[in-house]
Amino acid sequence: RKEVEQDPGPFNVPEGATVAFNCTYSNSASQSFFWYRQDCRKEPKLLMSVYSSGNEDGRFTAQLNRASQYISLLIRDSKLSDSATYLCVVNREGTGRRALTFGSGTRLQVQP
Amino acid sequence: DGGITQSPKYLFRKEGQNVTLSCEQNLNHDAMYWYRQDPGQGLRLIYYSQIVNDFQKGDIAEGYSVSREKKESFPLTVTSAQKNPTAFYLCATKDVGRSGNTIYFGEGSWLTVV
Repeated sequence: RKEVEQDPGPFNVPEGATVAFNCTYSNSASQSFFWYRQDCRKEPKLLMSVYSSGNEDGRFTAQLNRASQYISLLIRDSKLSDSATYLCVVNREGTGRRALTFGSGTRLQVQP
Repeated sequence: DGGITQSPKYLFRKEGQNVTLSCEQNLNHDAMYWYRQDPGQGLRLIYYSQIVNDFQKGDIAEGYSVSREKKESFPLTVTSAQKNPTAFYLCATKDVGRSGNTIYFGEGSWLTVV
């Protein structure tokens, strides 16, 4: 089983739609969680951290469910510019590795 | 400009050749990382370093080597022992002194074996 799993998609949605992605992680000792956005042939960029109580940044909402070991990202009112791959990232610091584990990403395509 | 600089952006290598990818940062971050990304795949950790003159193998270190002689620099050498080196290589840094563990990436280097 992969340490961090995501549905690869693609998720094809019309502009203005609401779309949600989930990401599951296997290491219950994981402590920090993030969503990164990666455009085609570019480096990943931090979209938002995920806090235990859930957090919102404009049209984006992130939530963490420790009991079920998943995090989610909700995008409201999708824009064409939201088209990208969204990477779920989990911190494995508890293992001493001091490194982040990346999911393979979920591709979102917002269509006009 | 502050940030992480990777060079070259595009590199072509003949089979059997060693090549070195440069990564320089002026963020004063202690930790530096090298990841490899294959098409449609996630990032896999090659090597990481948390302090000068120290580095650790990641999940796919075979065929690669690194050095960390200066805080600002963490070059990656792809050796001839790496049998399938064509990939997108990403250097990253993290400020271990701050909470949140946010990692920042350079723009990446594309390596192609010809």
